[in-house]
Amino acid sequence: SQTIHQWPATLVQPVGSPLSLECTVEGTSNPNLYWYRQAAGRGLQLLFYSVGIGQISSEVPQNLSASRPQDRQFILSSKKLLLSDSGFYLCAWSVNSGLSYEQYFGPGTRLTVT
Amino acid sequence: AQTVTQSQPEMSVQEAETVTLSCTYDTSENNYYLFWYKQPPSRQMILVIRQEAYKQQNATENRFSVNFQKAAKSFSLKISDSQLGDTAMYFCAFMKHSPSRLIFGTGTRLQVFP
Repeated sequence: SQTIHQWPATLVQPVGSPLSLECTVEGTSNPNLYWYRQAAGRGLQLLFYSVGIGQISSEVPQNLSASRPQDRQFILSSKKLLLSDSGFYLCAWSVNSGLSYEQYFGPGTRLTVT
Repeated sequence: AQTVTQSQPEMSVQEAETVTLSCTYDTSENNYYLFWYKQPPSRQMILVIRQEAYKQQNATENRFSVNFQKAAKSFSLKISDSQLGDTAMYFCAFMKHSPSRLIFGTGTRLQVFP
């Protein structure tokens, strides 16, 4: 069966510090991968998605970047965090096919920028 | 651009009763998928139910069912025999194709009380 992992679960970082959040998927190959952010009391906003190694698409301009160095690894980064980067970050995966439709979410990372 | 609107920020229902959460969306596409996700206090995103737009029959999953009105672009969720464990945020989502990615509504917080 497929599983998706995220770490760390929680993170407190000062403004201006770098960020690296990691997401890995097990039990599937060549998945679509996604990073979402959920601000407090808000819905989910898609930040990045990837259909393959090294292929990253950004949905919104921001202070963050994403990378996919391996097939089942997706990393969210920032060189200098802003207060507005605080939120709950969710990674998700879906089957990479023309008819894929279900996304499966990881447990999330709660980021607080102080 | 596709948008998803959930007009009920909060709802409450008594245990064993029925509650309906509303969702409307806007799209020019003809073939698409719609989803309801549940986010309990643990913040794990859990898929509740999905609906393919080309299917006229409303989807049903145990106590959860949808009322899909394609012409009206409406996709409501009905929870029957509500249980305390149904207390959560509920998000309606529309799936864009190529590649698949989800557009979420802002959510409805459902409280089930004894």
